[in-house]
Amino acid sequence: EDQVTQSPEALRLQEGESSSLNCSYTVSGLRGLFWYRQDPGKGPEFLFTLYSAGEEKEKERLKATLTKKESFLHITAPKPEDSATYLCAVSNDYKLSFGAGTTVTVRA
Amino acid sequence: DTEVTQTPKHLVMGMTNKKSLKCEQHMGHRAMYWYKQKAKKPPELMFVYSYEKLSINESVPSRFSPECPNSSLLNLHLHALQPEDSALYLCASSRDRVWETQYFGPGTRLLVL
Repeated sequence: EDQVTQSPEALRLQEGESSSLNCSYTVSGLRGLFWYRQDPGKGPEFLFTLYSAGEEKEKERLKATLTKKESFLHITAPKPEDSATYLCAVSNDYKLSFGAGTTVTVRA
Repeated sequence: DTEVTQTPKHLVMGMTNKKSLKCEQHMGHRAMYWYKQKAKKPPELMFVYSYEKLSINESVPSRFSPECPNSSLLNLHLHALQPEDSALYLCASSRDRVWETQYFGPGTRLLVL
């Protein structure tokens, strides 16, 4: 069965304190790995899609990387508005499977 | 534009009521999804529609009945729900395959009394 494990569960950062979130996965027939941001009570907002090991994508203060077993979401110099739950998901031919998420709190 | 809209935003219903959730996208996507999300948990897949046909039903109770009237619309009909069905119901769409990027709507917050 496909498994997606995110760590840590929660991360508290000071504004400007860079850090990384981890997503490790086991999936048969990986098609893609996705990062989403979710604010409380709202739907997940798409951030990145990664398809193959070695791929990297960046958007503002966020950078996602992918290896054969895990993905990292790097947050550089975070601001309070980066506070959210970050969800990792993997897809095979049949479905998208989510990890439990990492809740990031950035204090000013 | 990567917008998926959902109505209503909030819904309160009794266990004997019948209600419907609606989802719409105008991105030309041919795959649409319903997810259920409980507090502090990740989204759980309920149904997948591909080219307006139901392709995946994740063993969802029959009190949830999906419908895809056309390629832009997705409904979820609710009947005789239980309090444990209270959750955030999310609609998503992707271009035409499950493994492509899925774009989510804002969700409908459902409370069953």
